[in-house]
Amino acid sequence: TQLLEQSPQFLSIQEGENLTVYCNSSSVFSSLQWYRQEPGEGPVLLVTVVTGGEVKKLKRLTFQFGDARKDSSLHITAAQPGDTGLYLCAGAYRTGANNLFFGTGTRLTVIP
Amino acid sequence: GAGVSQSPRYKVAKRGQDVALRCDPISGHVSLFWYQQALGQGPEFLTYFQNEAQLDKSGLPSDRFFAERPEGSVSTLKIQRTQQEDSAVYLCASSLGGTALGNTIYFGEGSWLTVV
Repeated sequence: TQLLEQSPQFLSIQEGENLTVYCNSSSVFSSLQWYRQEPGEGPVLLVTVVTGGEVKKLKRLTFQFGDARKDSSLHITAAQPGDTGLYLCAGAYRTGANNLFFGTGTRLTVIP
Repeated sequence: GAGVSQSPRYKVAKRGQDVALRCDPISGHVSLFWYQQALGQGPEFLTYFQNEAQLDKSGLPSDRFFAERPEGSVSTLKIQRTQQEDSAVYLCASSLGGTALGNTIYFGEGSWLTVV
């Protein structure tokens, strides 16, 4: 059961375009993380957000945690082919929780 | 190796066969997690170890699934009498702590199980 819904499920864009993917839930999370997963590999952590309204930037990637800590977004500026992959959000219900709930994922393809 | 290592990478099992999947976490990592990732889905939590203690096994889908970490390092996920719905990628992950802030979780490449 996926408690975190991500949209869009698939996204194909041209190199240089901007994009935003969304992660939504009806539950409040203590913290939320974003991962990128490439084919045949495990997810790799990109960022952790913990405070409602928090914005974090990682080069061309901007992550935002919703004020109510139920949703998050990932914005990529000037996408590059190397950004291609499966983007997963994952939430923890409480600080110190040992299991993460992953979203359904957004599969991004950046066309050169 | 520097990362989480899993074996076998690929396993084809006949329905009803038992399988064992191995995970070598990053040296010194206290926490170890198993996740199941079905095709086209995000990973789903199976179980969590802190050292040798299995503190959470709430995600194991049935009593056919069993995990152990007897010496607090290497872990094995065993699936008995495999069924077709067990076909998935089984991801192992480790971290110095749990999922508390500041503890990055490192995933292995996964063991791809196909039950035919």
